[in-house]
Amino acid sequence: GAVVSQHPSWVICKSGTSVKIECRSLDFQATTMFWYRQFPKQSLMLMATSNEGSKATYEQGVEKDKFLINHASLTLSTLTVTSAHPEDSSFYICSARGDIGNSPLHFGNGTRLTVT
Amino acid sequence: DAKTTQPTSMDCAEGRAANLPCNHSTISGNEYVYWYRQIHSQGPQYIIHGLKNNETNEMASLIITEDRKSSTLILPHATLRDTAVYYCIVRGTNTGNQFYFGTGTSLTVIP
Repeated sequence: GAVVSQHPSWVICKSGTSVKIECRSLDFQATTMFWYRQFPKQSLMLMATSNEGSKATYEQGVEKDKFLINHASLTLSTLTVTSAHPEDSSFYICSARGDIGNSPLHFGNGTRLTVT
Repeated sequence: DAKTTQPTSMDCAEGRAANLPCNHSTISGNEYVYWYRQIHSQGPQYIIHGLKNNETNEMASLIITEDRKSSTLILPHATLRDTAVYYCIVRGTNTGNQFYFGTGTSLTVIP
């Protein structure tokens, strides 16, 4: 149980274009999902908390207009990287958890974004 | 959320127990200890979590000291596939509490 699916697993796009990444909880409902970013040889950095039916909450220093998050249902959250630039190239990972207070996070397998 | 301190790297011989320590001296009463691992270019994998009692599952055991200021993740019989970065995270149960990752321990299992 507790499977999180992320798509695509990798994407290459040109500078200035937008890229959408999908995150689905396959066997449980997730009121809240989380988006992380990881640069090479670094740890995961929390970008934002995605709340079903309401606005996402962004961590300090993360541009909300650049990283658009939509959480339209209890099983789907999307992250759109708008007007991507080479410095946005990174490993993006989504996660979700059940609604019980101490439930662990379960992670997707990540999306490798390369902006050329 | 409480900060955690882990050694940067560790080695372990294949077949032996791997004991990964984590210090969380500022942990508060409602904060749980979670362990994850990340194999290169994959999403983190949940291993185990606990509050104050020792926990065991099919993957590992979690030993939490009585004062809860530190814990140890034990992989009883390490295999080469256990080579990964292991993260210890402390998090409270309130909705606003997040999972923040530190730098973790890079475990290398040696044949």
